[in-house]
Amino acid sequence: DIQMTQSPSFLSASVGDRVTINCKASQNINKYLDWYQQKLGEAPKLLIYNTNSLHTAIPSRFSGSGSGTDFTLTISSLQPEDVATYFCFQHNSGWTFGGGTKLELK
Amino acid sequence: EVQLVESGGGLVQPGRSLKLSCVASGFTFSNYGMNWIRQAPGKGLEWVAYISSGSSYIYYAETVKGRFTISRDNAKNTLYLQMTSLRSEDTALYYCARRGVTWFAYWGQGTLVTVSS
Repeated sequence: DIQMTQSPSFLSASVGDRVTINCKASQNINKYLDWYQQKLGEAPKLLIYNTNSLHTAIPSRFSGSGSGTDFTLTISSLQPEDVATYFCFQHNSGWTFGGGTKLELK
Repeated sequence: EVQLVESGGGLVQPGRSLKLSCVASGFTFSNYGMNWIRQAPGKGLEWVAYISSGSSYIYYAETVKGRFTISRDNAKNTLYLQMTSLRSEDTALYYCARRGVTWFAYWGQGTLVTVSS
């Protein structure tokens, strides 16, 4: 089974900061990596699919990059409404979520 | 607007059964594959099961294989998850999610299953 390791587990940043969250796969997953945002008490929401494609109505400050085993979610300028937990998810071989990164405001 | 509404959760004793439902609206249900995903309290996400649009393809996580059955009724726009031989580790919020540009493009709000004596 493919394991997905996210880092950091917790992240504190200020409004306007550039934020990066990393996700590492235990083996090559090509481009099949998605990112989800889950706000407290809400269902997860798809942000980015297949490494770098922005889902419908997602602000352009969110972007994704990477290939193979190493992937990154970037928020170019952190906004208060971005406080959430972020999960990566691979669907190249089976389906596996990362452990999550909790993003808080400093 | 895509809407998915789960129901059927509750408190159940270990070893017993429970059936979850997910009613879909705002799209042509019969055109899309559907999933169940769960989240234990305070924990991460775990994909549970998938069913294709016409029920031809069905997949399960190893943790539930042989105990859970996913099914759908396209005439009723409804997805189901029949859960048997429930264990404490099955305690979670269960979400249904629709395929789209990727596997879980749209999610419901979830229904809570608590397995406890």
